[in-house]
Amino acid sequence: GQSLEQPSEVTAVEGAIVQINCTYQTSGFYGLSWYQQHDGGAPTFLSYNGLDGLEETGRFSSFLSRSDSYGYLLLQELQMKDSASYFCAYNAGNMLTFGGGTRLMVKP
Amino acid sequence: DAGVIQSPRHEVTEMGQEVTLRCKPISGHDYLFWYRQTMMRGLELLIYFNNNVPIDDSGMPEDRFSAKMPNASFSTLKIQPSEPRDSAVYFCASRRTDVYNEQFFGPGTRLTVL
Repeated sequence: GQSLEQPSEVTAVEGAIVQINCTYQTSGFYGLSWYQQHDGGAPTFLSYNGLDGLEETGRFSSFLSRSDSYGYLLLQELQMKDSASYFCAYNAGNMLTFGGGTRLMVKP
Repeated sequence: DAGVIQSPRHEVTEMGQEVTLRCKPISGHDYLFWYRQTMMRGLELLIYFNNNVPIDDSGMPEDRFSAKMPNASFSTLKIQPSEPRDSAVYFCASRRTDVYNEQFFGPGTRLTVL
């Protein structure tokens, strides 16, 4: 079958670093994407890993290990505005399949 | 450049009524996707189009749901008749053919069926 697993909720303090893990099972895999969604808003693209390794975009980094069917999103120097839900999604051809999302709460 | 446009932003209707959701993708994007988001089921792909042609509608829950894309700048998702369990946020997204990893989402339509 096809599935993605990520923690439902994570809490961290402002200025800290947080890692959101994602494991997946799929028969076809092109890469792993990460999306951010604020309450009441639309998902917005953050990062993509098509190859193993680390991709860095400002305070956000994403990692992929195909052999372990595992990836993570790393958020550094957390800010209050980072409080949102974060979704991993795998690309299988033209479609994205989303995980259930991780709700990140950043506390002062 | 304007993003993906959806209308209406909110819709409240009574069970049994027909509902039509509308989407205008970003100009130049050849792929259009319809998603539904609920607390219970998360973000689910309903159907997607490529160059106005439906490619995969396996996510459409049942025959009450239908989607069309008459031209490159317009798509509709219709529910007839609507039921309370259809209450959800419906997102439209689009992407370019050559940038397969990034989809651009519209603001969504929050549908409430009473």
